[in-house]
Amino acid sequence: AQTVTQSQPEMSVQEAETVTLSCTYDTSESDYYLFWYKQPPSRQMILVIRQEAYKQQNATENRFSVNFQKAAKSFSLKISDSQLGDAAMYFCAYRRGFDYKLSFGAGTTVTVRA
Amino acid sequence: GAGVSQSPRYKVAKRGQDVALRCDPISGHVSLFWYQQALGQGPEFLTYFQNEAQLDKSGLPSDRFFAERPEGSVSTLKIQRTQQEDSAVYLCASSLGWGQGLQTQYFGPGTRLLVL
Repeated sequence: AQTVTQSQPEMSVQEAETVTLSCTYDTSESDYYLFWYKQPPSRQMILVIRQEAYKQQNATENRFSVNFQKAAKSFSLKISDSQLGDAAMYFCAYRRGFDYKLSFGAGTTVTVRA
Repeated sequence: GAGVSQSPRYKVAKRGQDVALRCDPISGHVSLFWYQQALGQGPEFLTYFQNEAQLDKSGLPSDRFFAERPEGSVSTLKIQRTQQEDSAVYLCASSLGWGQGLQTQYFGPGTRLLVL
């Protein structure tokens, strides 16, 4: 079974600053995908960024970027120039190559201070 | 549709009551998923449909949970004889299909179930 660990229950960041959320996972597979989802208080889960394990280049989506360390099984999310709208719960998720199930971590609550 | 919709958004049930939770996936999406999210936790997989076929129900916690998608679009998750431990947010997600690039799951807003 795959497990996803998010060791930071809560993170706080000043507006316009940068925050990094950590995620580690455990797998014996070589083909898999990793995701970061954002869940605002309204509870609609939104995909922030995804990373294919076979790609060495770290994924980037505007202010969001990841640091994918395959050997260390680490997948951290960096939010740059934090905005008030970034406040939410962030979930790291894992999926095997052609599987369909997502395995989620417990989440990290991000608060943004004005 | 524009996104995945779920109804009701909130449901309060007395212990022992049956409840039905509805999910309308994005139009044209072949795959549909149900997840259960306990308070302060990440979602846990319940079941998966490809069109009308339920291909995986390994995550359903007991035989009181039943899901269907008879015409390959709308899905209903039914919980019989609800228990307090069933209190959670139930999330539905859909994806376009199968294969590389098609498997991003889009989530609905969830149904928050409270069993008293």
